[in-house]
Amino acid sequence: EPEVTQTPSHQVTQMGQEVILRCVPISNHLYFYWYRQILGQKVEFLVSFYNNEISEKSEIFDDQFSVERPDGSNFTLKIRSTKLEDSAMYFCAGASGGPSGELFFGEGSRLTVL
Amino acid sequence: GQSLEQPSEVTAVEGAIVQINCTYQTSGFYGLSWYQQHDGGAPTFLSYNALDGLEETGRFSSFLSRSDSYGYLLLQELQMKDSASYFCAVREGDTGFQKLVFGTGTRLLVSP
Repeated sequence: EPEVTQTPSHQVTQMGQEVILRCVPISNHLYFYWYRQILGQKVEFLVSFYNNEISEKSEIFDDQFSVERPDGSNFTLKIRSTKLEDSAMYFCAGASGGPSGELFFGEGSRLTVL
Repeated sequence: GQSLEQPSEVTAVEGAIVQINCTYQTSGFYGLSWYQQHDGGAPTFLSYNALDGLEETGRFSSFLSRSDSYGYLLLQELQMKDSASYFCAVREGDTGFQKLVFGTGTRLLVSP
């Protein structure tokens, strides 16, 4: 069964460093998302991406964040200068646009900022 | 603003039935989904209601009342593996982008 793949599974970084989180979505999906989940809290929307551009972003997704789909398969989230409060699990998700609205999530990348 | 409220924790025993409620207040509403998340895992889709009424999928059922801005997830014949967090999520529009706004989550603990 096709699945969403995320790397790395866990990254530890120093405050102020740049981080790139990578995702390989399911091949026939058209819509892509990044969500984050601070430990023990709810899943929060960051950004949606369609047709090679951002379709919507949340207040969390400020200038330090960026997304790219550089080669038609990988989908990346870059955090330019990490802060302590960026420590969270980051989930990539994709959707085909079907009527159920189902999102397919990857297993997540845990980011720890020291 | 947006809010989706759920009970923080529910406990039950194996074989029992449990209902997890969700009340929502969002800027738009197109449908209500439910996702299951085991500790350390990814959220996985359980069900979706766009119209009022009950949707049944095996041991799980989901209900929606749009007029009351309320829905619930019903889990029957509980098993130990059902111990997880359950999130309701609102789909705010039909743009095709299907952004979901997630609720606060309910931790379900199933004991023997």
